[in-house]
Amino acid sequence: AQSVTQPDIHITVSEGASLELRCNYSYGATPYLFWYVQSPGQGLQLLLKYFSGDTLVQGIKGFEAEFKRSQSSFNLRKPSVHWSDAAEYFCAVGPTTSGTYKYIFGTGTRLKVLA
Amino acid sequence: DAGVTQSPTHLIKTRGQQVTLRCSPKSGHDTVSWYQQALGQGPQFIFQYYEEEERQRGNFPDRFSGHQFPNYSSELNVNALLLGDSALYLCASSLSGVHQPQHFGDGTRLSIL
Repeated sequence: AQSVTQPDIHITVSEGASLELRCNYSYGATPYLFWYVQSPGQGLQLLLKYFSGDTLVQGIKGFEAEFKRSQSSFNLRKPSVHWSDAAEYFCAVGPTTSGTYKYIFGTGTRLKVLA
Repeated sequence: DAGVTQSPTHLIKTRGQQVTLRCSPKSGHDTVSWYQQALGQGPQFIFQYYEEEERQRGNFPDRFSGHQFPNYSSELNVNALLLGDSALYLCASSLSGVHQPQHFGDGTRLSIL
């Protein structure tokens, strides 16, 4: 069955420190992968996506993610975290063939940033 | 360029009532998906509408139904509300076809008393 696992429920980092959020997926074919961010009381904003090509993907707000097929992972990274990055982050896998349309989300990682 | 808009932003209902939530997709998008996000959880897929028809459904009971209008806007209806239906309901729009990212609205917070 298709699934997405985000092992870390909460992560706390200091402002200016580097960040890595983990995501592992289970999918029968080459997945279509996403990272979204959700601020309190708001919807989800797309940070970046990957389907094919370069396995290191650049997104908005200085985020990047690396697809590693051998590890079934798509970890999100940022070299220097800002206080405004405090939010909840969701990894998701989307459909890659016609006939399927649902996105499957992980349970999220809540990021806290210390001043 | 307006993004995905949802109404209302908050709603309080009692058990057994019925509710209708509304969504206007991002300009140019023709596909609408609905998700339920319980507190502390990731969004769960309810269904997707394209060309005014439901084309895929998640693991939700028939109490959850929807509609898409010719202008691509959509409604989510939930009948016989249960306490467990309390959640943030998110609408996402996209272009049809694979490899099209979904764009989300800010959601409707539904509370059941």
